[in-house]
This record gives sequence, C-alpha cells and structure tokens, in this order.
Amino acid sequence: AQTVTQSQPEMSVQEAETVTLSCTYDTSENNYYLFWYKQPPSRQMILVIRQEAYKQQNATENRFSVNFQKAAKSFSLKISDSQLGDTAMYFCAFVGGNNNDMRFGAGTRLTVKP
Amino acid sequence: DVKVTQSSRYLVKRTGEKVFLECVQDMDHENMFWYRQDPGLGLRLIYFSYDVKMKEKGDIPEGYSVSREKKERFSLILESASTNQTSMYLCASSLGGLLKAFFGQGTRLTVV
Repeated sequence: AQTVTQSQPEMSVQEAETVTLSCTYDTSENNYYLFWYKQPPSRQMILVIRQEAYKQQNATENRFSVNFQKAAKSFSLKISDSQLGDTAMYFCAFVGGNNNDMRFGAGTRLTVKP
Repeated sequence: DVKVTQSSRYLVKRTGEKVFLECVQDMDHENMFWYRQDPGLGLRLIYFSYDVKMKEKGDIPEGYSVSREKKERFSLILESASTNQTSMYLCASSLGGLLKAFFGQGTRLTVV
C-alpha cells in the first residue's frame, strides 16, 4: 500500500513570511494524484492544492504552491505571505491511479504568529 | 455544493456496544471513505467503497465493518466497541482521480 510521510509534526511562521511543509510518499505507480488539505479548528477539511503526477509543472493557487519532485517522491507545500487564517493542520494526500483509495500523512500543525 | 453529512457530531458509547456511524452524500459520488483521525497519526483509512455493495479494507480495518447498500450512504460499524476505538471519525466522498474529496464534519466518538 502507498504510504505518505509528513516529518514535521509542528511548524510556526511569522505573519507575512514564507513557510514550506514537507511531504514524501512511496508508490510503485507511475500515474497518481497528490493533494494538500487544510483542517482548521472547525474540523472541516479544505482542499488547498492538487497535482497530477504526469504534469511536470508545479501547481500554484494564489499564495500556495508546490514543489513536486517525482523522482524523489517529494511533494512540498510553500505558503507565501502567511496569514493568521492559515493556522491549521495541513495534510498531504495521495490518490492512486486506480482512482479509488486515498491516503493521508500524519499532518503538520502550522501556527502563524502575529 | 456537495454535502457530506455524518449522523452525529459527538457520540458516547459503552464498551461492548454495537455502534453505527452513518454518512450520507448528495452528489452521486462513486467513492466513499471512512477514516479515523488521531493526534500524531493523521487520517488513517479504515475502509473505502468504490461502488454500491463494494468495499475494500484500508490500513486499519480490524474491529470495524462497513455497509453500502445505496450509493449515497456508507455506514461504519463497530461490532463491539472498545476504548481504543475512541477517536475522531471522518467520512469522505469523491469522484476519484484529481477531483477533490468532500468531507463530513466528523464524529468524535468516546467509548467508556
């Protein structure tokens, strides 16, 4: 089974600065999908950004961008100009090419400090 | 907008009870998932289903079973609840692939 590893249990960043959250995964598949989800205290999971493995171009959504390194099986999330509302748990997720199962990492708790 | 509804937000059950956690989605999604979320462990996949009456074990299926008799409903069953099943349970649905998953609000289950 695929595994997703987030090695940073907690991180903090000053407001307006940039922070990078790490994620690595293990799979034998060549085609798959990667996601970053945000879970604020409300517990509602919110999609932040997504990436298809066959696309070499890194995905970008406003202040959020990824560094996708397929050979290294790495998928890090960069948050620019951090805002207080970015404070949340962030989960990296993997969906295999069969489009069925979806697996998550252990999460990184990000705190944005004023 | 897609809505995934879990039957309870908070639940307290006694050891040995049979517990049903219900999840309903309103967008005709094929895939549905049950996760448990524990601090430091993230979301761990218990079971998923990609079609009616189809189910697949996830990473931690022991002590759980599931039922999907209708496309919109995916039930998680704890046959005999134990204290180590105290956790947050999250249900999700998706069309698969690059399409995002939609999550319920979670059920915080306490087994005493």
